[in-house]
Amino acid sequence: AQSVTQLGSHVSVSEGALVLLRCNYSSSVPPYLFWYVQYPNQGLQLLLKYTTGATLVKGINGFEAEFKKSETSFHLTKPSAHMSDAAEYFCAVSSSGGYQKVTFGTGTKLQVIP
Amino acid sequence: DSGVTQTPKHLITATGQRVTLRCSPRSGDLSVYWYQQSLDQGLQFLIQYYNGEERAKGNILERFSAQQFPDLHSELNLSSLELGDSALYFCASSVAAGSGELFFGEGSRLTVL
Repeated sequence: AQSVTQLGSHVSVSEGALVLLRCNYSSSVPPYLFWYVQYPNQGLQLLLKYTTGATLVKGINGFEAEFKKSETSFHLTKPSAHMSDAAEYFCAVSSSGGYQKVTFGTGTKLQVIP
Repeated sequence: DSGVTQTPKHLITATGQRVTLRCSPRSGDLSVYWYQQSLDQGLQFLIQYYNGEERAKGNILERFSAQQFPDLHSELNLSSLELGDSALYFCASSVAAGSGELFFGEGSRLTVL
């Protein structure tokens, strides 16, 4: 069984401040981990993914995430928030092989305050 | 553009009616997933198909059904609609074997009056 828990359904940051969105996972096999972003009235799009190899993963729009096996975490960060980052962010987990059952977290809405 | 096409984009219907949502996956993707997104329930996984066969089932109501056709497009049928079925319905697709990265369509917004 696999699951992800996103801490905080709403996060507010000031423009230019650090963005930190938290995600913890549970998986009985080595996980593949993802962050997706959903802008208003749009579908989800992939921000970044971790499969194997380097544990620090860089994505689009200046976001990055670090896979920490010891902490079962995959937190999303961005050094400096921009107004255009306001969106909902979803963490997701899948397992290697098979037909890739993908499990999403409940989402975190990011508000950027000017 | 993710390459996943969903129709219709918007649909307004009455309680008790039946609707069909259609999804065309990215070229070459064999897996299709359906999700429901509503304000109170968040993003809920409904069902997954792989090359025409059902592979995983989530929180899909008995009033709902889906299928994937030989040309790999998929349809989600919603019947005996209730007010609570109003939501955004997303289709996503993925390659046959890989990391599980999903490509989402823009969704079909269903409003039940």
